[in-house]
Amino acid sequence: GENVEQHPSTLSVQEGDSAVIKCTYSDSASNYFPWYKQELGKRPQLIIDIRSNVGEKKDQRIAVTLNKTAKHFSLHITETQPEDSAVYFCATLGSGGYQKVTFGIGTKLQVIP
Amino acid sequence: KAGVTQTPRYLIKTRGQQVTLSCSPISGHRSVSWYQQTPGQGLQFLFEYFSETQRNKGNFPGRFSGRQFSNSRSEMNVSTLELGDSALYLCASSFTGPFSDTQYFGPGTRLTVL
Repeated sequence: GENVEQHPSTLSVQEGDSAVIKCTYSDSASNYFPWYKQELGKRPQLIIDIRSNVGEKKDQRIAVTLNKTAKHFSLHITETQPEDSAVYFCATLGSGGYQKVTFGIGTKLQVIP
Repeated sequence: KAGVTQTPRYLIKTRGQQVTLSCSPISGHRSVSWYQQTPGQGLQFLFEYFSETQRNKGNFPGRFSGRQFSNSRSEMNVSTLELGDSALYLCASSFTGPFSDTQYFGPGTRLTVL
């Protein structure tokens, strides 16, 4: 099955700095890579996603980059704000007739004011 | 537009019992996916239903089952509960599938097995 490794598990940054979270996957046929944000006690929310036919996607302060050769994709948050503090999950959609979703273990981001 | 709702929000059961959780998707959404979230394993995909049919399935034992009704509401059943089934169970709905378009999560049902 698919393996997804997410790093780091915790990340503290000063407000205004950038944060980068990386996920490495094993299934070379994976073709969809979403990122979810989960604030404490709340439900996960999709914040950005990328498909295998593009290398980068941006949405205001958030960007995702994909390196299919190296089989990793990263979430970049610029000009971090305290409200960015949350747990971030990556995920991949693997191949096969019964596709299954695999999530990273999560990264707890703390933005220090 | 109303969001995804789940009932009950909290549940306490004992080992060996069974439990049924309910999920009402956003109006118009035909895909409902179920996930288990625990501190140790993180988020794990259970299964997805689309138009009353199970379309995708994760790596969970047969004790975990589900169904979807004609109005797209879905239920998940866990039989012969084990201590390790204690978790937050999340459902999510979308128009076409969890990774075809944006899926929206419900608030979850927190299940505690004693």
